[in-house]
Amino acid sequence: EVQLVESGGGLVQPGGSLRLSCAASGFTFSTYWMSWVRQAPGKGLEWVANIRQDGREKYYVDSVKGRFTISRDNAKNSLYLQMNSLRAEDTAIYYCAREISLGYWGQGTLVTVSS
Amino acid sequence: DVVMTQSPLSLPVTLGQPASISCRSSQSLVYSDGNTYLNWFQQRPGQSPRRLIYKVSNRDSGVPDRFSGSGSGTDFTLKISRVEAEDVGVYYCMQGTHPWTFGQGTKVEIK
Repeated sequence: EVQLVESGGGLVQPGGSLRLSCAASGFTFSTYWMSWVRQAPGKGLEWVANIRQDGREKYYVDSVKGRFTISRDNAKNSLYLQMNSLRAEDTAIYYCAREISLGYWGQGTLVTVSS
Repeated sequence: DVVMTQSPLSLPVTLGQPASISCRSSQSLVYSDGNTYLNWFQQRPGQSPRRLIYKVSNRDSGVPDRFSGSGSGTDFTLKISRVEAEDVGVYYCMQGTHPWTFGQGTKVEIK
């Protein structure tokens, strides 16, 4: 069974940093693109970033370029999102998803940026 | 960026009746490899999103056959042949080329 479990969310002040993790199991992690998608409270879905199987190709939504970094460790079956210079508008549930087409999703982790 | 526009944004339906959601893209979603990367997602209240349909019309494993996707180019449709209580939630279309973008969401509720 495919499982994606996010962690690392929490309350952080504007300008602060946070690192999200996603532990994958139930499939061969190293053979799939992986993605992060977020959802602000009461709002719709927004794609954030994705990363190729070998980690050498990455894409970001414009609003996080230069502040967020997606990475992966295939030996640990883990996906990461390093978030720096956080803003209030980054407040959201962050979901980890398998594939570019988002075939499987985790339960999400809540990031709240507030003073 | 490709803008995805869904309609309606709210859809009250009667149990057992059909429902249809439209999704239009600001440009053709036919990719250079000949595929059309248009997906549909369901988000039930309090749950994570779940993919229902990929590449326009391919139903995911475990998705009831009352759900179907169709369309081409810039116009796409998700249909539910007979709405059941468990279908309540928000439905999103998403185009799958960089930068990936979602529609605003359509809230399906029971009348």
